[in-house]
Amino acid sequence: DVKVTQSSRYLVKRTGEKVFLECVQDMDHENMFWYRQDPGLGLRLIYFSYDVKMKEKGDIPEGYSVSREKKERFSLILESASTNQTSMYLCASSSGSSELYEQYFGPGTRLTVT
Amino acid sequence: AQTVTQSQPEMSVQEAETVTLSCTYDTSESNYYLFWYKQPPSRQMILVIRQEAYKQQNATENRFSVNFQKAAKSFSLKISDSQLGDTAMYFCAFMKHRNFGNEKLTFGTGTRLTIIP
Repeated sequence: DVKVTQSSRYLVKRTGEKVFLECVQDMDHENMFWYRQDPGLGLRLIYFSYDVKMKEKGDIPEGYSVSREKKERFSLILESASTNQTSMYLCASSSGSSELYEQYFGPGTRLTVT
Repeated sequence: AQTVTQSQPEMSVQEAETVTLSCTYDTSESNYYLFWYKQPPSRQMILVIRQEAYKQQNATENRFSVNFQKAAKSFSLKISDSQLGDTAMYFCAFMKHRNFGNEKLTFGTGTRLTIIP
């Protein structure tokens, strides 16, 4: 089974702190994604990566950056956390060669910025 | 840009009944894919069903089926013989035909479905 894990289920940070959210997948997937999920807004794509050291902006990249140094790991970075970044963050991965286009999701990290 | 609209924020049905969740989308693309994802309470999001736009036949997966109306840009999910385990948030999602390095999903805002015992 595909497994996508995220470093924390719950995280509380203070305004202005640098925050790292880690995501690891064990299926050798080429594509990895970071979404944030907010009530009434659904999931919105922050960044995605289709290869090591490659990244593309999603729909709401402002205030975020990402890092993908190894194929299995995709990190989301909040350079200076703000209260409007309080949200649920979901990581996902997918195979770049599969015709199924299925994305596999992690359990999510609920981040609170105070 | 693509948009996906789910007009039913919440729904509830009795166990064993059939329920239909609505989804409409807007795109100028001719070749694309549509998905329904399920997010159970405190559990990971999983794929329920997918539909390729070039296929006229509606996709089915056991108790789950879709009604895909390409001209109307409508993609509803029907759950037959609903079970308590179907209680979840359901998201409709759109993806353009894949070009290398671009498998972005556009999600709707979700429908919270509750199955009542």
